[in-house]
Amino acid sequence: QVQLQESGPGLVKPSQTLSLTCAVSGGSITSGANFWTWIRQDPGKGLEWIGHTSYSGKTSYNPSLKSRVLISLDTAQNQISLKLTSVTAADTAVYYCAGGVGFIDYWGQGTLVTVSS
Amino acid sequence: DIQMTQSPSTLSASVGDRVTITCRASQRISSWLAWYQQKPGKAPTLLISRASSLQGGVPSRFSGSGSGTEFTLTISSLQPDDFATYYCQQYDNYPYTFGQGTKLDFK
Repeated sequence: QVQLQESGPGLVKPSQTLSLTCAVSGGSITSGANFWTWIRQDPGKGLEWIGHTSYSGKTSYNPSLKSRVLISLDTAQNQISLKLTSVTAADTAVYYCAGGVGFIDYWGQGTLVTVSS
Repeated sequence: DIQMTQSPSTLSASVGDRVTITCRASQRISSWLAWYQQKPGKAPTLLISRASSLQGGVPSRFSGSGSGTEFTLTISSLQPDDFATYYCQQYDNYPYTFGQGTKLDFK
C-alpha cells in the first residue's frame, strides 16, 4: 500500500518560496502510470488541484499558479517536491501530496502552510 | 477551466436515509469523474472513479451514475460513519477541478 508523507515549513513569509517534500513509501515513484500530484485546500474551503508530474516526464500545472509552481521528482529519495514562489496570504492552505491516474488513489495526510510575516 | 457545481451544499439526513448528491460539469467530461469523502482534519478518500466504479473496500451502499455533464452519488442507507463532506472531481481536462463540496450532517 502506497503511503505519502508531506514535510516542510509550516510558516512562510510573504514573497518567499514555499517548499514542500513528500516521501513515498510502499511503492516506487518510477513505477506504474501514476501522476504525482499536489492539491491544496483553503482552511474550511474546497480543493484546488495545483498540478502533477509523472516519471515519464508528463507535467501539467493549474494555469492560475503556473508561473509560480514547480513539481519535481527525486527518484533517488523516492520523493516528490513542490515549490511555489512569491507567496501571499492567499497561498495559506493545507497542502496534500497525492498519486493517481487522474483520480487520486493515494493521499498524504496534508500539511498546513501559513503565509504570514 | 471546467466548473463543477455540486448540489446541495449542505444536506441534513438521518441514519437509514437514502441520499443523493448531484454534480454538474460546465462542459461534457464523458465519465471522467471521481467522488471523494472527507472527514474533518483528514485527507479525502476515493470512493468512486470513472463515474460509477466503486473502489475496493468502499461499502456497496455507495453508488455513482451519470455521464456527460450530470452525475450523482447515492448512499442507499446512511450509516453513522457516512456523515462527512463529499467532493466530485473531473479529470477529463486540465486543470482538473473539484466541486465545492456537499456537507452531509445529522438532521
